[in-house]
Amino acid sequence: GNSVTQMEGPVTLSEEAFLTINCTYTATGYPSLFWYVQYPGEGLQLLLKATKADDKGSNKGFEATYRKETTSFHLEKGSVQVSDSAVYFCDGGSQGNLIFGKGTKLSVKP
Amino acid sequence: DGGITQSPKYLFRKEGQNVTLSCEQNLNHDAMYWYRQDPGQGLRLIYYSQIVNDFQKGDIAEGYSVSREKKESFPLTVTSAQKNPTAFYLCASTPTGQGQETQYFGPGTRLLVL
Repeated sequence: GNSVTQMEGPVTLSEEAFLTINCTYTATGYPSLFWYVQYPGEGLQLLLKATKADDKGSNKGFEATYRKETTSFHLEKGSVQVSDSAVYFCDGGSQGNLIFGKGTKLSVKP
Repeated sequence: DGGITQSPKYLFRKEGQNVTLSCEQNLNHDAMYWYRQDPGQGLRLIYYSQIVNDFQKGDIAEGYSVSREKKESFPLTVTSAQKNPTAFYLCASTPTGQGQETQYFGPGTRLLVL
C-alpha cells in the first residue's frame, strides 16, 4: 500500500537559516502530495500541494517539488523565521485515504 | 480497542436541512479536530477544540457548528448555510495539541447533498 516516510525531528535552526525537511513516498500511481503545518494549540493547515510529477507547490516562502524519479516531496525554505516554529506533516493519500508522515517539529531560534 | 469512531459512514442530505456528524474517541485525548477533504484539495480545518466546553474556528468554519460538552465527543453540524456541503469529513484527535503529536483520524463520513 501507499506510505510516506518523513524526516524525524526535532529540527532546531537559527533565524534566516535554510530549511529542508525530507519526505519520500511509496505508492502505486502518482498520488497528490501535500505538506501541512500545525502551530501549537491549533489544527492542521494546508501549507502547499502538488498534484502531478514536476509540479512545484509554494506558499509563505516554502516550496516543495514533486519528483517522480526520486519519489520525493522535500519541503524547503531559504530563510526561516521564528514564526515558522511548528510541526510539519507530509501527506501522500487521496480522498478517504490519509497517508501521513509522523511529523517533524521545527524550532527556530532568534 | 482505543480509537476514533465516526458515524454514519455515508450520509445523504436534502438541500435546506441541517445534519449532524458524530465523532467519538476513547483515547482520552484533550484536543479534537474536524477537517473537510475535497478531491485533490487536501485537508481543510473546520473547527477544533483543545478542551471541553471550548472550541475555535478553523479556516472554513462558515456554515458549520460544533459542540464539546464531553471530552470524548465532538459532533459537527453542517447547516443549511453551508453552500457546498458535499465532501468527505474527517475527525481527528491528539493528546493535548500542544506538541509534536500524530493526529489520530477517524474513518470519515462522506456527505452527499441531494
